[in-house]
Amino acid sequence: RKEVEQDPGPFNVPEGATVAFNCTYSNSASQSFFWYRQDCRKEPKLLMSVYSSGNEDGRFTAQLNRASQYISLLIRDSKLSDSATYLCVVNYSSYKLIFGSGTRLLVRP
Amino acid sequence: DTGVSQDPRHKITKRGQNVTFRCDPISEHNRLYWYRQTLGQGPEFLTYFQNEAQLEKSRLLSDRFSAERPKGSFSTLEIQRTEQGDSAMYLCASSLNSQGSYEQYFGPGTRLTVT
Repeated sequence: RKEVEQDPGPFNVPEGATVAFNCTYSNSASQSFFWYRQDCRKEPKLLMSVYSSGNEDGRFTAQLNRASQYISLLIRDSKLSDSATYLCVVNYSSYKLIFGSGTRLLVRP
Repeated sequence: DTGVSQDPRHKITKRGQNVTFRCDPISEHNRLYWYRQTLGQGPEFLTYFQNEAQLEKSRLLSDRFSAERPKGSFSTLEIQRTEQGDSAMYLCASSLNSQGSYEQYFGPGTRLTVT
């Protein structure tokens, strides 16, 4: 079993739609949680950290459920520019990030 | 641009050759990481440095791989006797080791193709 599991997608949604991704992690000792965004053939870029209380950054909302060991990302009012792969990431060692394989999002006009 | 930089961006080499990649982290960051990413997968941790000390190495880092960070600034990753399975994107990241903050920032990567 992978340490971080994500639905690979693709999620194909129209502009303006709301879309949600989930991921699950296996190590209950995980300390920090992130969502990274990766465009085709580019480096991962930090989208947002995920806090226990949940957090929001503009159209993006992240939630953490430690009891069920899952993390979610909600994108409201999708834009064409949101098309990318979204990587769920956990950290339990203070130095090593464990990445999921990513969920592809395609936003169509 | 004050982000993480990597050189070269692309490298094509023949099987059996040695290659070396360079990473320059964000200047005030004391931690530097190397990851490898293959198609359809997320990045996988290879090794990391705190200042000039290499503190952890993944099982993925075979004896053919060596990394250095001689003065605690830039780092190099060398692969000796390359194999086709080494073809991947090699990503460098850096972070500031501060209490409770584990955010890592990635460079553009070096895409290695072994023919």
